[in-house]
Amino acid sequence: DIVMTQTPLSSPVTLGQPASISCRSSQSLVHSDGNTYLSWLQQRPGQPPRLLIYKISNRFSGVPDRFSGSGAGTDFTLKISRVEAEDVGVYYCTQATQFPLTFGGGTKVEIK
Amino acid sequence: EVQLVESGGGLVKPGGSLRLSCAASGFTFSSYSMNWVRQAPGKGLEWVSSISSSSSYIYYADSVKGRFTISRDNAKNSLYLQMNSLRAEDTAVYYCARDVYVMDVWGKGTTVTVSS
Repeated sequence: DIVMTQTPLSSPVTLGQPASISCRSSQSLVHSDGNTYLSWLQQRPGQPPRLLIYKISNRFSGVPDRFSGSGAGTDFTLKISRVEAEDVGVYYCTQATQFPLTFGGGTKVEIK
Repeated sequence: EVQLVESGGGLVKPGGSLRLSCAASGFTFSSYSMNWVRQAPGKGLEWVSSISSSSSYIYYADSVKGRFTISRDNAKNSLYLQMNSLRAEDTAVYYCARDVYVMDVWGKGTTVTVSS
């Protein structure tokens, strides 16, 4: 199974400041079709998960442009350029390159 | 509006069974693969099962293999999860999510509690 490791576990951030979350996979996420199926999800308190980024760097419809994804192979990053109050929640990376699908343990973003 | 609505959760005794449903609307259900993902209280996300658009391909997490069965009825725009031999560790909110590769649409979830 592909293990997804996220750091940090928690990220206290000042409003308006940037935040960065790292996700590392135990093996390459490049699929045989050439795509890398690495996504980022946001889960606000009491809410279901919501897709932010898919295939490393593609912002999903309606996602603010302060969210960006980057990376390749086994190392990936989600960046929030300027954190807003509504960004509080837990962020998960997930891979769909190989079954079983797996998720990172989550990173809690909170306001200082 | 694209929407997924789960139902069928509840309280069940260990060893019991439950059938979850996920009703899809606002998109062509038969064109998409579908997933079940669960979240135990206070824990992270755990993938449970996936099914291709025509039910040709089905996958399960080892933790549920042999106990859970995923299925779909494209005529009814519905996804199902038959859960048998339930254990305390199956207690979770169960979400259905659209598309294996991006999980772009999620339902609000249905809660399953396994307890005597």
